[in-house]
Amino acid sequence: DADVTQTPRNRITKTGKRIMLECSQTKGHDRMYWYRQDPGLGLRLIYYSFDVKDINKGEISDGYSVSRQAQAKFSLSLESAIPNQTALYFCATSDFSGPKHNEQFFGPGTRLTVL
Amino acid sequence: QQQVKQSPQSLIVQKGGISIINCAYENTAFDYFPWYQQFPGKGPALLIAIRPDVSEKKEGRFTISFNKSAKQFSLHIMDSQPGDSATYFCAVAFGNEKLTFGTGTRLTIIP
Repeated sequence: DADVTQTPRNRITKTGKRIMLECSQTKGHDRMYWYRQDPGLGLRLIYYSFDVKDINKGEISDGYSVSRQAQAKFSLSLESAIPNQTALYFCATSDFSGPKHNEQFFGPGTRLTVL
Repeated sequence: QQQVKQSPQSLIVQKGGISIINCAYENTAFDYFPWYQQFPGKGPALLIAIRPDVSEKKEGRFTISFNKSAKQFSLHIMDSQPGDSATYFCAVAFGNEKLTFGTGTRLTIIP
């Protein structure tokens, strides 16, 4: 599904480096989310944004920051990457209203490895 | 505190059998209970969802059973097929708020 795109798809970096993961969507949704997925821990919410001027911390925001540059773009940054941030990262979007307002649409993911 | 507990972590079922995955939640205010399906290399996608005004919802071979008093809901996959092999996540939400996901179940269907 090309409606939610993530770049890069894979990234290997070193401890201490600054990394930015980007997410773009063409679904016209107001709401965007960043999750990380780790085996046995499921999908954990890092940050979410209900509109361009709204940014909220999720359950595991420490070590991460985000920027909502436009309705269609939501970036996740790791200011100083550490090995335990090695994970699969997903961006997702959802609509604000309508019969399917709870449904989230996920991007294909970014596999990040921090050495 | 974990808002939704999912079990089992992994499940192996023979082709044609019934796969059952369970979730339990704490907050009685939750009013939306979806299941997401994730294939390797892909993002999760909505499979089926239920709201608490009904006890069961069926879509093809997939059924959600919902027990409001026990604060539990489960996904049943009838006549399980190898193509159903994936990771399944339950989730909960209240009103128009964000989803909280379970820890996932890796389902493998063997011939």
